[in-house]
Formats: sequence, structure tokens, C-alpha cells
Amino acid sequence: AQSVAQPEDQVNVAEGNPLTVKCTYSVSGNPYLFWYVQYPNRGLQFLLKYITGDNLVKGSYGFEAEFNKSQTSFHLKKPSALVSDSALYFCAVPGSQGNLIFGKGTKLSVKP
Amino acid sequence: SQTIHQWPATLVQPVGSPLSLECTVEGTSNPNLYWYRQAAGRGLQLLFYSVGIGQISSEVPQNLSASRPQDRQFILSSKKLLLSDSGFYLCAWTGANYGYTFGSGTRLTVV
Repeated sequence: AQSVAQPEDQVNVAEGNPLTVKCTYSVSGNPYLFWYVQYPNRGLQFLLKYITGDNLVKGSYGFEAEFNKSQTSFHLKKPSALVSDSALYFCAVPGSQGNLIFGKGTKLSVKP
Repeated sequence: SQTIHQWPATLVQPVGSPLSLECTVEGTSNPNLYWYRQAAGRGLQLLFYSVGIGQISSEVPQNLSASRPQDRQFILSSKKLLLSDSGFYLCAWTGANYGYTFGSGTRLTVV
């Protein structure tokens, strides 16, 4: 079965420092991988996706993610964090019904 | 452009009362539609999905039901709410390459 795991419940970084939010996956076949962000009491917003091609995927708001097949990982990164990046981040893979299967989410807290 | 509307934004309902949450999509036809529930601000649980009018699949047996009376309308219902039905409900639709668009969500509190 397709699944993703986000090993960290929360990530704390100082503003201006680089950030990494971790995601590992377990899929059969070629993986499609997604990152979404959720601000409080809002729906999820698409950040980026990996379908094929370059292992480094660039997305919205300065975020990028690195696909690593040998480590079955798709970590979300940003070179310099902003306080406004504080939110809940979800990694996802497609399910069998055209749906997305989400990780449990990682709360990112960026302090000034 | 495609948009998705979900309402109401917040709802407080007593235990045992009925529920109806509505989701509509504009700018596309025959979308796949989904209802998710998010409890305690964390993981998302797929509740129902629909690939067409009148076609509903349930992922989790529960106190809720869904209907799709029109191509771009998806409704989540309950006859009698339970305390455990409290949560944040999200509607979504998919386009090509699993492009997922979410509604803004409904915060349901059952008291």
C-alpha cells in the first residue's frame, strides 16, 4: 500500500535559518510526491510536486524539495525561513482512488 | 479558472441534530470530489469520494453520508451528530496529475 511518513511532529527554526521538513515514502512503481501547506483554519494549499525529471523540485513561496530514490525521501527545504512560513506541512502520495494519502503533518514554527 | 466553494465556515451543532455541509466546484466538469476530516489540527482522513453524479464511495464506516446530486455539487450529511463528529471538514477536487484543490474548510463543533 502507498504511504508516507513524516517523522517529526514539530520543527522549530529561527528566522533566516534554513529549514528542512522530512518525508519518507513507500510506493509501488514510480512515485508521485506532493507537499501541501495549511495555515490555521484554512484548506490545504499546494506547494510542489515530483512526477519525474530533476530530483530538485522548486515550488511556491521559495520552497523546494529533493527527491532521493535510494533513501525513499522527499524532504521539503527552504534556504531562509520566514516567520510567515509557520504552518502545518503535509507530504502526500496518490492513493488507489485518485485521492491523496497524507502524512500526519509537521508543524513548522519559525521564531523571530 | 477553477474554484471550489465550501460552506459554512464554522458550525456549532448540538448532539443529535442533523448536518449538511455543501461543496461546489466551478470552472470544470466531471471532477473527482472528496470529503476529508481533520481532527485535532493534524492528519487528514478520507471520508468519501465521488467520480460522478450519484456515485459515492465511503472509506470509513461512520455516522456520516455523502451525496452528489449534481456534477459539481458534493454534500456531506448526518441524521444525528455525535460528539466525535467534531472536526475540520475539507472538500477537494482533482484535476490532471493529481492536482488537488481544497476548499477553505468547515469547522464543526458538536456540543
